[in-house]
Amino acid sequence: GAVVSQHPSRVICKSGTSVKIECRSLDFQATTMFWYRQFPKQSLMLMATSNEGSKATYEQGVEKDKFLINHASLTLSTLTVTSAHPEDSSFYICSARDSGKNYGYTFGSGTRLTVV
Amino acid sequence: QKEVEQDPGPLSVPEGAIVSLNCTYSNSAFQYFMWYRQYSRKGPELLMYTYSSGNKEDGRFTAQVDKSSKYISLFIRDSQPSDSATYLCAQSGSGNSPLVFGKGTRLSVIA
Repeated sequence: GAVVSQHPSRVICKSGTSVKIECRSLDFQATTMFWYRQFPKQSLMLMATSNEGSKATYEQGVEKDKFLINHASLTLSTLTVTSAHPEDSSFYICSARDSGKNYGYTFGSGTRLTVV
Repeated sequence: QKEVEQDPGPLSVPEGAIVSLNCTYSNSAFQYFMWYRQYSRKGPELLMYTYSSGNKEDGRFTAQVDKSSKYISLFIRDSQPSDSATYLCAQSGSGNSPLVFGKGTRLSVIA
């Protein structure tokens, strides 16, 4: 089945630094990937849609200059949290759909970011 | 409007019970319905997928869509402690449209 690999699974960084999170589709090509953010005991909030070879589409209220998304190939999308602050601490999850299938999105295992 | 409403629970049941999880949706144009299971600090895992209306069964799990009432259900038979997780219903359109999630229901199955 479709597998999405997300790294790192956990990261702690200092305020003001940047953190990059990678999302790879291992056995399928994904022209579109999605990035979500999840706070404790809450549902997933869509942050942005990452499109291979073009600019990402951000949801209302998400700062595109803070959350940089790059989708340089059909199997890799990256999310960089720039100048991180403690309020950016959250669980970040990516997802993708196998273009050859018309159902279901596969999610990565998530990245727990803690900014201290 | 693209909302999916889901009771967050928590829901606690004894082992072996039948569990019924429900959602309502507002966007009739989106015809793909999914149930995901999420364990703590993990990414969601696709459990069931249905297109349009009707029932779909997979082992102990049955997904049901009632388009007339805009109601999505997931039934778990013979529930096990390992079923304890958060269950998220989701809806999407065709193509590469993103999922619209419910808030998730936290389920605990007590041995």
